[in-house]
This record gives sequence, structure tokens and C-alpha cells, in this order.
Amino acid sequence: GAVVSQHPSWVICKSGTSVKIECRSLDFQATTMFWYRQFPKQSLMLMATSNEGSKATYEQGVEKDKFLINHASLTLSTLTVTSAHPEDSSFYICSAVGAGGPYEQYFGPGTRLTVT
Amino acid sequence: QQQVKQSPQSLIVQKGGISIINCAYENTAFDYFPWYQQFPGKGPALLIAIRPDVSEKKEGRFTISFNKSAKQFSLHIMDSQPGDSATYFCAATTSGTYKYIFGTGTRLKVLA
Repeated sequence: GAVVSQHPSWVICKSGTSVKIECRSLDFQATTMFWYRQFPKQSLMLMATSNEGSKATYEQGVEKDKFLINHASLTLSTLTVTSAHPEDSSFYICSAVGAGGPYEQYFGPGTRLTVT
Repeated sequence: QQQVKQSPQSLIVQKGGISIINCAYENTAFDYFPWYQQFPGKGPALLIAIRPDVSEKKEGRFTISFNKSAKQFSLHIMDSQPGDSATYFCAATTSGTYKYIFGTGTRLKVLA
């Protein structure tokens, strides 16, 4: 139980294009989803909090116009990286809350984004 | 005050040994402390978690020790195995936001 999937698992895009990453809770309804960014050999950095049916809340320093988050349903949240640049290359991970109470976050497998 | 300090940065343990990773925090509002295991190229997986009203929690080979007065908690991996080689993150959160503050991570290598 408590499985979270992400699609795609890896993506390569050209500089200036946009890319969408999907995060799905497969066997539970996620009241809240979080989006993280992780650089090689570093910790997870929270980008934003996504609640179904409402606007995402972004952490300080995260450009909300560049990282568009949509939480369309209780099982799906999407992160769109707009006008991607090489510095946006990173490992993006989502997590979902709802399976084990509000404290437990279940993480997706991550999406490796490379911008050329 | 929002930081969670984790040590050591890396750890090498012999097979069958005990791996110990420590975390310290400042914010006394934190009320949930999970540990995650992450393999390269994968998302973190929840190992074990503890609330501040408990001083120790054990699940299989994994034990969390919690010292509320010292604002420290640690993960002990008993009978460490090569398959335990991964990066371990501690985290802390509050019931106000449920946002995790992650430690910097510990890269564990268990030698066969």
C-alpha cells in the first residue's frame, strides 16, 4: 500500500522548452502533495506544497511562474517546468500525504530532468 | 532554528556491525521525526518514525533513540548488511504545516 508513482522517470529537453512531471498516488487519496528538488549528493529541498483544489504554496526562493503546480484531483499533482534552462537540471521528487495520517509522506521514485 | 543537523556525513561499517546516525534540532515545536532510506536514483523510503513522547522505537533491525531534553535523535541499524548501503536522511516536522525539514544525509557503506 501507499504507492506513489511519477512519470516520466527521466526526461531530456532542450533549453527554452517546458516539461510536465506527473505525480500520482495509486492506492490512496492524497490530501496534500509536496514537490522536492534534489541535487547530486545533496538533501531534499522542498519547493512547494500542493493541496487538491487550491493554489500551491511555494517555498521562499522558488519561482512560482517557472515551476507551475496543479493538484487537479486527490490522486494527481503535476509540476511543469516552464522555459527550462540547464540550471533546472535536477532530480524532482514528489511525496503524498493521506495514507498514514497527516505526518507520513510517501515518496515517488523521482524524475531526472536534464536540460540541454 | 528550522535546521536539522545530521552526522556523520559518511559512514563505513563492517557487515554485522551497528550503524549509528545522529540528528539534532532546535525547534521544540517539532513533533514527528522520521528516517528515510534512499538508494541512488530512487525516491526516499520511510524506514521508521518516532514522536517526542517516546524515547525509543524499534522495528526489526532499525531503532530510533530519542532524547527530548537534548533535542537529539538517532538511528541505529543492527546487524548491518551490504544491502543497507544507501543514503539515510532524518527529518522533522510539526503538526502546523507537516512540512519536512530534512537533515543533510549520511552515506552508509556496509562492507561485505
